Parts: sequence; C-alpha cells; structure tokens
Amino acid sequence: DTEVTQTPKHLVMGMTNKKSLKCEQHMGHRAMYWYKQKAKKPPELMFVYSYEKLSINESVPSRFSPECPNSSLLNLHLHALQPEDSALYLCASSQGTGPNEKLFFGSGTQLSVL
Amino acid sequence: AQSVAQPEDQVNVAEGNPLTVKCTYSVSGNPYLFWYVQYPNRGLQFLLKYITGDNLVKGSYGFEAEFNKSQTSFHLKKPSALVSDSALYFCAVRTYRQAGTALIFGKGTTLSVSS
Repeated sequence: DTEVTQTPKHLVMGMTNKKSLKCEQHMGHRAMYWYKQKAKKPPELMFVYSYEKLSINESVPSRFSPECPNSSLLNLHLHALQPEDSALYLCASSQGTGPNEKLFFGSGTQLSVL
Repeated sequence: AQSVAQPEDQVNVAEGNPLTVKCTYSVSGNPYLFWYVQYPNRGLQFLLKYITGDNLVKGSYGFEAEFNKSQTSFHLKKPSALVSDSALYFCAVRTYRQAGTALIFGKGTTLSVSS
C-alpha cells in the first residue's frame, strides 16, 4: 500500500463551524506533513510531525490545530476559519525527515469557507 | 536559506518534441533537489531526486534531470513530449526548519503539450 488517503475530498464550511480533515497512511512512515495550496500556486508548508511529535510549525494561525493520534493518522482541526483559508489542503508522508526523503502526497481536501 | 526558482510560468511544446522545464537553486551545503508533477485536482507525484553522484538523474515516466553545479541548475527534461505530460511541475529543495527538514517548492511551471 503506497497511498496517502485524505478525507473528505471536498468540504464547505461557514466561518463559525468546527470541522476536521483526516489523513491516513499505512506505509510505516514516521513523518507526516500538512501543506496548504492555493490554485496554480506551490504548496506551502504548515506543519510537520516526526515520530508523532510536532517538529515544525510554520507560524500557522491557531484556528488550524494539528493532531497526530498515532503513527498512521494525522488530523487537522479547523475552527473559525476565514474565507481566505479556502484552499486545497494536502497531506504527505515520508519514511523519515532526512534530507533525501521523498514525500508521498494524498489527493487533498478542497476546502471552501463561506 | 535554501530555495529554488522556476523562471518560467508556462512552457509550450509540440508532441514529440523535447521538453525542458527550468529550475535554479540557492543552497548552502549539499543540495537535495526534487521534481514533482501535479495533475488537475490531484496531489503531487514524485518524479525524481538528486542527492549525490551522477549529474544526470533518471526518473518516472521517461523524465530526467540534469544537475549542474556551476550554473546552480536542475532542469527537468524529456526527449519526446506526450500530450499526457501536460501538468503543473514543481521543483523542490529539502531545507532545514526548526527541529527537522521539510520540502519547499518553487512557484511551479505549467507544461502544455499540443498534439
């Protein structure tokens, strides 16, 4: 199994809602990532978990809250989002965080904030 | 700080012709460089990487990339383009952040292959 699975594929939420994005991998990877991507732009790093511990937070607003319940799962909890947070949210994983590691990406969750 | 630049927003090529998508890098120390491709409404797919060794790196779907240290470039190439190669291509570099490393992407180049 070489897949990273993200759910839901699409999400529409209001600015007062609370929702969660989910990501799962069964490749035994110990590093997992959240990226945000606007249309026709590069993915922007948000968070990195290494061995289930948050190792990188790219100064992301607190309305985004990551969680890594175990080595296979990564969640992104959303609360009080703004319309400008509408984007494709990509999850990725890698064996480790060494410099030669390649990332495996999920297909993303397309988020619209109304 | 490590970074990559993709000077072209769009590259147009006819099917069967060779293609090149350009990338230059700015890295202190050894560069760890990658190419990814993204099809519409999809995640990114790994094509190839340069870590060390041969300057010509071969990857998926017939793509290859040439690492040139003197020109600080890592251009993606394919001898004969296919219409199905039309997609958004990202060059990326591993960079150190806080307590770990992460992949940081260039702005992307849209490749359009016409039949």
